[in-house]
Amino acid sequence: SQELEQSPQSLIVQEGKNLTINCTSSKTLYGLYWYKQKYGEGLIFLMMLQKGGEEKSHEKITAKLDEKKQQSSLHITASQPSHAGIYLCGADMEPGTASKLTFGTGTRLQVTL
Amino acid sequence: ETGVTQTPRHLVMGMTNKKSLKCEQHLGHNAMYWYKQSAKKPLELMFVYSLEERVENNSVPSRFSPECPNSSHLFLHLHTLQPEDSALYLCASSLGTLQFFGPGTRLTVL
Repeated sequence: SQELEQSPQSLIVQEGKNLTINCTSSKTLYGLYWYKQKYGEGLIFLMMLQKGGEEKSHEKITAKLDEKKQQSSLHITASQPSHAGIYLCGADMEPGTASKLTFGTGTRLQVTL
Repeated sequence: ETGVTQTPRHLVMGMTNKKSLKCEQHLGHNAMYWYKQSAKKPLELMFVYSLEERVENNSVPSRFSPECPNSSHLFLHLHTLQPEDSALYLCASSLGTLQFFGPGTRLTVL
């Protein structure tokens, strides 16, 4: 099993609908990073969460880290075609080794008109 | 544009070829990384350089050889690769925990 599980693996939503992507670990997450990737391209940083219960928003995207620091969610409100891509969560799972991130397998999002 | 560039963007090579991937950052970061991304698998960390010293080598085959001549440049030298090495190779850099990624090199080994 993966150290960092993402769900769902893929998602097709109609434009204007809301959606949520989850990232779960059995270990404490000392830092949780959300990235977006267009197919075959690099990762674009979206948001970083470090404190239990923390929530951040940017435009129509909101990311949360639960109080236990083992689960994060990414919520998109009123989705648009520009939101399509692969969303990856990356986590710092070893305190004191800030340079090493573990990544989930990604969630592929398609937004239909 | 993340401030991390990679060249070439696409590379096709035979199993007997020798080639190199290049990564460059001018963000003032002190750590650089090579990742391999294959279909339906999580990003695999290959190498980490911190202050130009290799601090992580995740059991990567010796046909991959990294080089970090200074804090702004990172290379991945490739020789006698196998078809299963075909993947997207991503470079990243960081100052602290947040990593910024390059656009990647799509490598195909014939």
